[in-house]
Amino acid sequence: GAVVSQHPSRVICKSGTSVKIECRSLDFQATTMFWYRQFPKKSLMLMATSNEGSKATYEQGVEKDKFLINHASLTLSTLTVTSAHPEDSSFYICSASGEAYEQYFGPGTRLTVT
Amino acid sequence: EDQVTQSPEALRLQEGESSSLNCSYTVSGLRGLFWYRQDPGKGPEFLFTLYSAGEEKEKERLKATLTKKESFLHITAPKPEDSATYLCAVFMDTGRRALTFGSGTRLQVQP
Repeated sequence: GAVVSQHPSRVICKSGTSVKIECRSLDFQATTMFWYRQFPKKSLMLMATSNEGSKATYEQGVEKDKFLINHASLTLSTLTVTSAHPEDSSFYICSASGEAYEQYFGPGTRLTVT
Repeated sequence: EDQVTQSPEALRLQEGESSSLNCSYTVSGLRGLFWYRQDPGKGPEFLFTLYSAGEEKEKERLKATLTKKESFLHITAPKPEDSATYLCAVFMDTGRRALTFGSGTRLQVQP
């Protein structure tokens, strides 16, 4: 099956610093990757959609200058949370989609900003 | 407005007690409906894709069905390891590849 990895799985950072999260599709080429945020006991909230080599499309209300997304290759996308604050603490999940419509999700990254 | 609604929010079953989870949708141009399973602290795990009304798919104790208004995830003789949150999501004919998720059903199967 399609495997998507995320790194790191957990990260703790201080307020004001930046954090980068990597998302990789291990056994297929992902033409599109997605970044979601999930609050406790809530469903997934789409933050942005990125296509390889193109600028990401952000959902309404998501600050593009705060959440920088890069999709440099067909197997790698990164999300950088810039100048993180405690309210950015959350569970961030990426997903990847190839030629078909199915999205395969990574294991998630727990970000805690102190 | 496009909507995906899952019910019930939470369900507690005894081991072996079969039941169904519901995902109803009011969307225009449905291209596909997906079911995922999510364990606490983990990303969603892909279960099924359904593309057209009348389609059914099975995997072990799970069976997913689709009509023009809703999808059911039937769980036959569940085991404690089936405890998880089950999410449905729709893919629409909008040119966007993003999915619209329901809020999920938290299933607990007691031994």
